[in-house]
Amino acid sequence: GQNIDQPTEMTATEGAIVQINCTYQTSGFNGLFWYQQHAGEAPTFLSYNVLDGLEEKGRFSSFLSRSKGYSYLLLKELQMKDSASYLCAVEAGGYNKLIFGAGTRLAVHP
Amino acid sequence: EAQVTQNPRYLITVTGKKLTVTCSQNMNHEYMSWYRQDPGLGLRQIYYSMNVEVTDKGDVPEGYKVSRKEKRNFPLILESPSPNQTSLYFCASSSDRVVGQYFGPGTRLTVT
Repeated sequence: GQNIDQPTEMTATEGAIVQINCTYQTSGFNGLFWYQQHAGEAPTFLSYNVLDGLEEKGRFSSFLSRSKGYSYLLLKELQMKDSASYLCAVEAGGYNKLIFGAGTRLAVHP
Repeated sequence: EAQVTQNPRYLITVTGKKLTVTCSQNMNHEYMSWYRQDPGLGLRQIYYSMNVEVTDKGDVPEGYKVSRKEKRNFPLILESPSPNQTSLYFCASSSDRVVGQYFGPGTRLTVT
């Protein structure tokens, strides 16, 4: 079957670093995405990994290990506005066929 | 402004009354998708489309239909809605994996 696991909730302090993990078991793999979703809003794209390794984009980085079925999103210099849900998604079984995890709700406190 | 629009944004209806949720994008994207989002379950793909007249089932297609007659539009049709289709629905479009998908603002549907 298809399965994507990520922690349900995390808390962190403003200015700190937080790592949100995602493990997946899917039939096929074309790439892994991370999206951010603020409460009451639509998801917005953060990153895409298709090869093993780290992709850095400003304060956000995403890592992928295909052999381990594992990814993480690293958020540095946390700000209050980073309080949101972070969604891990795998494209598997066809172009644009996405499977999402249930999301990780991150709360950043002062 | 590049955007994905959905209508209506909110809808309350009764069981069995056919409805259509429209989705339109102005970015000339080839790829479009419909998702539903439920608490604890995350986003689940209903249908996706690779281009005009090319659609395929996602994980939860039962009870839904789609059509892609024009590149910009991808309506979601519920022929006979049931209460278990009460959910938040998102339409999304994309041109390339590297830039991800653009999501519409969502449609909150309640079926009584």
